Amino acid sequence: NAGVTQTPKFQVLKTGQSMTLQCAQDMNHNSMYWYRQDPGMGLRLIYYSASEGTTDKGEVPNGYNVSRLNKREFSLRLESAAPSQTSVYFCASIRERYEAFFGQGTRLTVV
Amino acid sequence: DAKTTQPNSMESNEEEPVHLPCNHSTISGTDYIHWYRQLPSQGPEYVIHGLTSNVNNRMASLAIAEDRKSSTLILHRATLRDAAVYYCILRDVMSGTSYGKLTFGQGTILTVHP
Repeated sequence: NAGVTQTPKFQVLKTGQSMTLQCAQDMNHNSMYWYRQDPGMGLRLIYYSASEGTTDKGEVPNGYNVSRLNKREFSLRLESAAPSQTSVYFCASIRERYEAFFGQGTRLTVV
Repeated sequence: DAKTTQPNSMESNEEEPVHLPCNHSTISGTDYIHWYRQLPSQGPEYVIHGLTSNVNNRMASLAIAEDRKSSTLILHRATLRDAAVYYCILRDVMSGTSYGKLTFGQGTILTVHP
């Protein structure tokens, strides 16, 4: 099984450009999450989706939008990228009350 | 969300046991205690979780205090591959369909010496 797949793995954007980070899971989980991790820091929750058709803000939602396209896919969009959004982004899929499975991350640099 | 407190860093020698503490004095009755670890340049990885009783799996053991205000992750024989950041997280499993957010703190950086 692929688990959680994130694309792209690396991206460089210019300030003001937009892009969408893709995340897909093949484990039939209801809950999916987006986190960001800055150097030397823990993960901070951006948005999460408890089930298909629902999304909620996390700790740091400003500057981001999300779409839960279907049960498998949860995308994160940066409408106008800023240098402060340079980070590693992780998507996670959660098996109800049990464990979370994380993707390998997208390393985003905004110049 | 209930908070956890962990030491910033710990060190161990290879093949010795490691006890990673976590304090969670404001834990509620429906909070599960989860542990994750993050190896360098990778996404977090699930280690173990529990509610009240001690738990064992192939990776580690989780010892939960009787009053549930603290817990300890036990790695029975540390290896160099166990060097990682270890996160202790409380997750409410009674928050409707969402089962509570998974919120990470700073974690404990574990260094394992050969």
